[in-house]
Order: sequence, then C-alpha cells, then structure tokens
Amino acid sequence: DVKVTQSSRYLVKRTGEKVFLECVQDMDHENMFWYRQDPGLGLRLIYFSYDVKMKEKGDIPEGYSVSREKKERFSLILESASTNQTSMYLCASSLIRANTEAFFGQGTRLTVV
Amino acid sequence: GDSVTQMEGPVTLSEEAFLTINCTYTATGYPSLFWYVQYPGEGLQLLLKATKADDKGSNKGFEATYRKETTSFHLEKGSVQVSDSAVYFCALRNTGNQFYFGTGTSLTVIP
Repeated sequence: DVKVTQSSRYLVKRTGEKVFLECVQDMDHENMFWYRQDPGLGLRLIYFSYDVKMKEKGDIPEGYSVSREKKERFSLILESASTNQTSMYLCASSLIRANTEAFFGQGTRLTVV
Repeated sequence: GDSVTQMEGPVTLSEEAFLTINCTYTATGYPSLFWYVQYPGEGLQLLLKATKADDKGSNKGFEATYRKETTSFHLEKGSVQVSDSAVYFCALRNTGNQFYFGTGTSLTVIP
C-alpha cells in the first residue's frame, strides 16, 4: 500500500519556536507538496518540490521554508512560529506525469500558543 | 489561471437519499479531474478520477463524469449512508505539477 507519512498527528508549540514538520513517501514520487488547510479556505499551497533540492513557492510561502535533501523526504520549517500559523498541515506527493493523482499524508494539527 | 469551484456546504441528507455535489472548473487544455474525500481528523483520500472528456470515474457507489462542454465534474451517489459523512474536495491537475482544489463541501448523513 502506498504511503505518505507525516511525523506527527498533533503538535503544540510556543510562539517564536522553530518548528519542523516532516513528511516521507515510499512511492518514489518526484513531486512533493505542503498545504495548509483552514476552515472555509480549503487547501492552500505553501511550497512544492519537483526534485531533490528543488523548491517552488506556492500561494502562501511567507513565514515558511522547506528542505528536500532526499527524494523521499520533504520538510516544512516554520522559522519563528506565530499563532496565525495554527492550522492543519497536509503533505502530499505525486508522480511528475501529468494525469496522475496526489497522495496525502494523515495531516499534522499544529497549535501555536 | 486554473481554478475549481464547488458548491458550498454544508449539505445534510437523510440515509438513502440521492447526493449531488456540483463542481465546475476553469483550465486551459485538457486537465485531469479528481474527487477526494476527507474524514474527520484525516488527510485526503482519492475517491475517483477522470483523465479525459466523457470519462466516468466511479468508486464505492460514487460517480462523476468529465464534461468538457460544461466544464463540470459533478459528484453523485444514488443512496448515501451515514458512513459517507465527510468533506469532499474537487480538484484538477493540468499539464504542470500543481493541483488546484475546491474549498470542500461538508456532507452529513443522518439515520
């Protein structure tokens, strides 16, 4: 069974902390994505990566950075967490081929206090 | 740019009722279209997909037909169950790497 695994289901962090969200996929997918999900706003793309060490900004990259040192792993970094970054974070991956679907992890519910 | 518009929720239905969730899209060319389902506290799971015009995707009693003439991909199920209660997302992928999602429609099915 294909798998996208996020390192934590729930996280509580303090304002100003540096936060790392990890995502690993076992499908040899080229593309990996980080989304943020908030009520009424749907999914918003933060960053995506189409290859190792490559990254592209999405719609809301401010306050975030990413790292992709290995093909299977894509990390989202909150440089200095703020309360408005409290949200559900979803990682996804896909093949680079155009008509293929994305596979999602189970999500990380982050609360910044 | 590419985008997806889906009907606002929430939707509440009685068990065994007929379900339609409308989805329309804007895209150049020939995108692939998807429906995802999200159960409470979980990530999104692919429900069905269609990759070209007039294709019908189906899974677990749900169906959607890719209509290029109306740029639509409406989700239907003939008889919903309580276990279908979830949030449903319509999405498209065009020739690039990005996916575009609707804002989601919450469905509650009551016994």
